Amino acid sequence: EAQVTQNPRYLITVTGKKLTVTCSQNMNHEYMSWYRQDPGLGLRQIYYSMNVEVTDKGDVPEGYKVSRKEKRNFPLILESPSPNQTSLYFCASSFSGTNNEQFFGPGTRLTVL
Amino acid sequence: AQKITQTQPGMFVQEKEAVTLDCTYDTSDPSYGLFWYKQPSSGEMIFLIYQGSYDQQNATEGRYSLNFQKARKSANLVISASQLGDSAMYFCAMRRDLFTGGGNKLTFGTGTQLKVEL
Repeated sequence: EAQVTQNPRYLITVTGKKLTVTCSQNMNHEYMSWYRQDPGLGLRQIYYSMNVEVTDKGDVPEGYKVSRKEKRNFPLILESPSPNQTSLYFCASSFSGTNNEQFFGPGTRLTVL
Repeated sequence: AQKITQTQPGMFVQEKEAVTLDCTYDTSDPSYGLFWYKQPSSGEMIFLIYQGSYDQQNATEGRYSLNFQKARKSANLVISASQLGDSAMYFCAMRRDLFTGGGNKLTFGTGTQLKVEL
C-alpha cells in the first residue's frame, strides 16, 4: 500500500530534550516536506527536500533540523524543543511538479512541557 | 509572496444540499496548481481535487467541483448533495511551479470548518 508513515504519532516531552520524528514514504517520491498545523494558522511549511541531500528552509524553520540521506526517509529533528513547538506535525511527499498532489502522513501530535 | 485566503471560518449546511467553500489566492506566478484537502476530526489530510492554472475547464471529482475564476483569483470548492461524513475542516492550497523557485511549495489557507446537519 502506497503510504507515508510517521513515528511517533503522539509524543509528550520536556523542554530541551532532543527528539526526532521519523517520516518514510514508499512511493519513490523525490519531494518531501514537513508542516506544522496550529489552530487558526492552517499548515505552514517547516523544511522541504527536492531530493536526496537537497534540503531547504520553509516558512517556519527556526528550532528544527532535517536530513535527507535516503530517498524514502526525511526525519525532523528538534535539538532543544520549547513549548512553542507544541503542535501537530505532518510529513508529506510527492513527485515534483505543480500538478502533483502531496500525500500526507497521519500526523504527529507533539506536546512540549 | 503567495497567499491563500479562506474567509469562512465555519459553515453549516443541511444534508443533501450543496455548499460552496470560498478560496481566493494571491500570486504573481504564471503557473501554479490549486488543491483542496479535507481534514476530518481524526486528523488525516485527504486530497480532494486539483486545478491547474492553465486548465480551461473546471475540475470535478465525484461530488466535488472546483469553481475556478482565474481573473478573480478564486478557486471555490463546491460540494453537491452534502452528507454527514462531509463534516470536516477543508483547506485550500496553492503549489508553486517547480521552475519559479520557492521549492515547489504548498501554501495553505486557514481552513473552513464545515458542519453538515440533518
